[in-house]
Amino acid sequence: AQSVAQPEDQVNVAEGNPLTVKCTYSVSGNPYLFWYVQYPNRGLQFLLKYITGDNLVKGSYGFEAEFNKSQTSFHLKKPSALVSDSALYFCAVRLGGYQKVTFGTGTKLQVIP
Amino acid sequence: NAGVTQTPKFQVLKTGQSMTLQCAQDMNHNSMYWYRQDPGMGLRLIYYSASEGTTDKGEVPNGYNVSRLNKREFSLRLESAAPSQTSVYFCASSEAGGADNQPQHFGDGTRLSIL
Repeated sequence: AQSVAQPEDQVNVAEGNPLTVKCTYSVSGNPYLFWYVQYPNRGLQFLLKYITGDNLVKGSYGFEAEFNKSQTSFHLKKPSALVSDSALYFCAVRLGGYQKVTFGTGTKLQVIP
Repeated sequence: NAGVTQTPKFQVLKTGQSMTLQCAQDMNHNSMYWYRQDPGMGLRLIYYSASEGTTDKGEVPNGYNVSRLNKREFSLRLESAAPSQTSVYFCASSEAGGADNQPQHFGDGTRLSIL
């Protein structure tokens, strides 16, 4: 079984400040981890993924994520938030060899001007 | 580049009515998926198709059926709609099943209300 937890329903951050959106996972094996972003009335868009190798993964729009195996976490980060980053963010996990992807419940990011 | 196209975008049904949600992708992906999105619950997998000719149940399959018509198209059918099926439905696709590290590509969803 695999599961994903996003402990914060909403994160508020001032424009220009660094942001972090948290994600922890549980899987019996080596995980493939993903972050997606969803804007209002749109489908999910892929941001970045961790497969193996470097624990710091860089993705689209200046986002990055840090994989921490000992803490089973994959937090999304950005050094300087933009108002346009305001959206719903989803963390997802897939166990290698399986088709199913498990999504977290989502975190609403609000960047305040 | 159309990507994943879902039709219709909006639909209102009465309890007991049936309907089919359509999904087509033009990326030559083998795998396709149907999810429902409800507030506070994230995305839940209804059915998926690893390749043309195969379908498998996901987390919440009850009340739904699917058809992988060909490599491009994957439809979701509600035989007798219930208010609990009011939701936003998303179709997604990804590259070949062996490439586990490939992300999913999503359509913009079908907003379904059942009265």
